[in-house]
Amino acid sequence: DTGVSQNPRHKITKRGQNVTFRCDPISEHNRLYWYRQTLGQGPEFLTYFQNEAQLEKSRLLSDRFSAERPKGSFSTLEIQRTEQGDSAMYLCASSFNREGYTFGSGTRLTVV
Amino acid sequence: KNEVEQSPQNLTAQEGEFITINCSYSVGISALHWLQQHPGGGIVSLFMLSSGKKKHGRLIATINIQEKHSSLHITASHPRDSAVYICAVYMNYGGSQGNLIFGKGTKLSVKP
Repeated sequence: DTGVSQNPRHKITKRGQNVTFRCDPISEHNRLYWYRQTLGQGPEFLTYFQNEAQLEKSRLLSDRFSAERPKGSFSTLEIQRTEQGDSAMYLCASSFNREGYTFGSGTRLTVV
Repeated sequence: KNEVEQSPQNLTAQEGEFITINCSYSVGISALHWLQQHPGGGIVSLFMLSSGKKKHGRLIATINIQEKHSSLHITASHPRDSAVYICAVYMNYGGSQGNLIFGKGTKLSVKP
C-alpha cells in the first residue's frame, strides 16, 4: 500500500487524557499536513511540515497540541489534556511540493 | 465570511442528470483542488487546476481566475457519485502557501 496511512482509525478517550496519532506519508513526499474536520464542515488546517521542519502552525493549534516529524518521514500529532471540543476527524495528507496531494483515511477522535 | 464558498450545500439528483457544483473564493490563489469525500472515508483529490479546464472520465473541472470561480461538473450522474465534494484553494501570498483553505463541501445524493 503506497497511500497515506493513519493510525489508529478510531480513538475514544476520557477527557483529560493525552492521545497521540501517527501518520505515514507516501515515501517520496516531502510535505506532510495535519487537518481537523468536524461534522458538516470542511477540513481546517492545523500544521504542515516540509521534510522535518514544521513550517506553519494554525492558531487553532493550541499549546495542548504538538506535532513532530523527526526524520522527515512519519509524523505524530499529540493532544494533551483532551477536551470534548477536541472530538473530530484528524486528517493527514502528503505531497511532493504541491503535486500528488494525497489524504489518509483519518483518525476519528471521540472525547467522553 | 468564508474565504471559500461552495454552492449548493446540498444537492439531490436523479441518475443520469448533469450536475454542477460551484466554488467561489475571495483571495488570490495559485491553484485549486476539487476533492471527494465518501461517508466515513478519507478524501480523494479529483483535480488540481490553476487555469482552464480538466476532464477525467465523467468529471469536468473549470476555473476562471479573473472571476475567482470554479465549477465541477458530473455528466451522466450515477448513485456511486454520491459523496461530499469539497473545493480547496492554495493561497498565493504570505505564509499560507503550504496549506489548503477548504470550502464546507457540497453533499451530493444521486437517486437511482
